[in-house]
Amino acid sequence: NAGVTQTPKFQVLKTGQSMTLQCAQDMNHNSMYWYRQDPGMGLRLIYYSASEGTTDKGEVPNGYNVSRLNKREFSLRLESAAPSQTSVYFCASRGALGNTIYFGEGSWLTVV
Amino acid sequence: DAKTTQPTSMDCAEGRAANLPCNHSTISGNEYVYWYRQIHSQGPQYIIHGLKNNETNEMASLIITEDRKSSTLILPHATLRDTAVYYCIVRAHPLPANSNSGYALNFGKGTSLLVTP
Repeated sequence: NAGVTQTPKFQVLKTGQSMTLQCAQDMNHNSMYWYRQDPGMGLRLIYYSASEGTTDKGEVPNGYNVSRLNKREFSLRLESAAPSQTSVYFCASRGALGNTIYFGEGSWLTVV
Repeated sequence: DAKTTQPTSMDCAEGRAANLPCNHSTISGNEYVYWYRQIHSQGPQYIIHGLKNNETNEMASLIITEDRKSSTLILPHATLRDTAVYYCIVRAHPLPANSNSGYALNFGKGTSLLVTP
């Protein structure tokens, strides 16, 4: 059981480049989330998707777009990367009835 | 969601109980207390949650005061592998019947627990 899988694990971008972080879960969960974590700070919610076909902004959505491609996959896109988006990104998912959120292992992104 | 307050950092000797406090004085009746932890460079991990009764599982115990304004996570026999940042989160569940919003947990800065030999 892979749980929540994120790719890539590490990425270096130049300012202005675009990229997409991929996330997939194999637990048949309805809700999926993208968080970012900066040094010395807690997790901040970027976007979430309560169910397939819906997405909502979280605390820090500016500079990002998301796509809930199907029930399994939830991608995060940086259209024009900025140094301020250097961070560790975590994808997570939760089932319809459960209280537990399951996290991926993180994607380390550096924008130079 | 109710706001939580946790100490920035704590130390605990290996083998001793680690007691991590959390204040949530504005908690409302339908809000649960959740605890997660994050070991360095890993994704956060669920530990335990509760509403008003004390809870225990294989990882930890959760003690919630009678007025529900504070709680304590107890790791009964801390090991070096318990060194992590511990997050206390308060969130309503289930969501209101007419809510179509996601169930999103708002993480703060947590408590950095250092378990020493």
